[in-house]
Amino acid sequence: NAGVTQTPKFRVLKTGQSMTLLCAQDMNHEYMYWYRQDPGMGLRLIHYSVGEGTTAKGEVPDGYNVSRLKKQNFLLGLESAAPSQTSVYFCASQTGGRVETQYFGPGTRLLVL
Amino acid sequence: AQTVTQSQPEMSVQEAETVTLSCTYDTSESNYYLFWYKQPPSRQMILVIRQEAYKQQNATENRFSVNFQKAAKSFSLKISDSQLGDTAMYFCAFMKQGAQKLVFGQGTRLTINP
Repeated sequence: NAGVTQTPKFRVLKTGQSMTLLCAQDMNHEYMYWYRQDPGMGLRLIHYSVGEGTTAKGEVPDGYNVSRLKKQNFLLGLESAAPSQTSVYFCASQTGGRVETQYFGPGTRLLVL
Repeated sequence: AQTVTQSQPEMSVQEAETVTLSCTYDTSESNYYLFWYKQPPSRQMILVIRQEAYKQQNATENRFSVNFQKAAKSFSLKISDSQLGDTAMYFCAFMKQGAQKLVFGQGTRLTINP
């Protein structure tokens, strides 16, 4: 049982490049989330999903897209990376239906030059 | 919209001492949940403790306990007999019942000195 895993762990991009961050969970959780963490700030919600095939916008969705084609995977895409997207990205998952703990992945550090 | 405020950016105590981290929140909701997460240098977010707003009894988990004051909208974390491994960023978080979304505070960097 690996919990929540994220790929890659670290990536450097040039402005304008695109990339996809992959989150996978093996706990059969319904809900999945993407957050970003910037210095001096807590985590801010980018997008989330309450089930396979559904996604919704969070607090800071601009510049990102997501897809939940399979229940266990939640992808975060950057179509045209900007330096303002330099951040640490965390994925989390949670059982749906009642409040449970959100389990977090180890994070992906992204640097956009 | 809900907001969570942690007014102590950094704290430092000696090993074995007791330390209290502060958190206040603003909401008009009556049913919600509050959390403390720990983020060590490894960056992994680890749940420390959880409190349901409808429960009057303060949550405890071994050396960690909370002081939940619903009327004052305050949710502080007390760490007893602090250990070097408690060194981390600590985040307070709020979740409205049914919303399934966490709102985080800015974090408090706690250092435990030997």
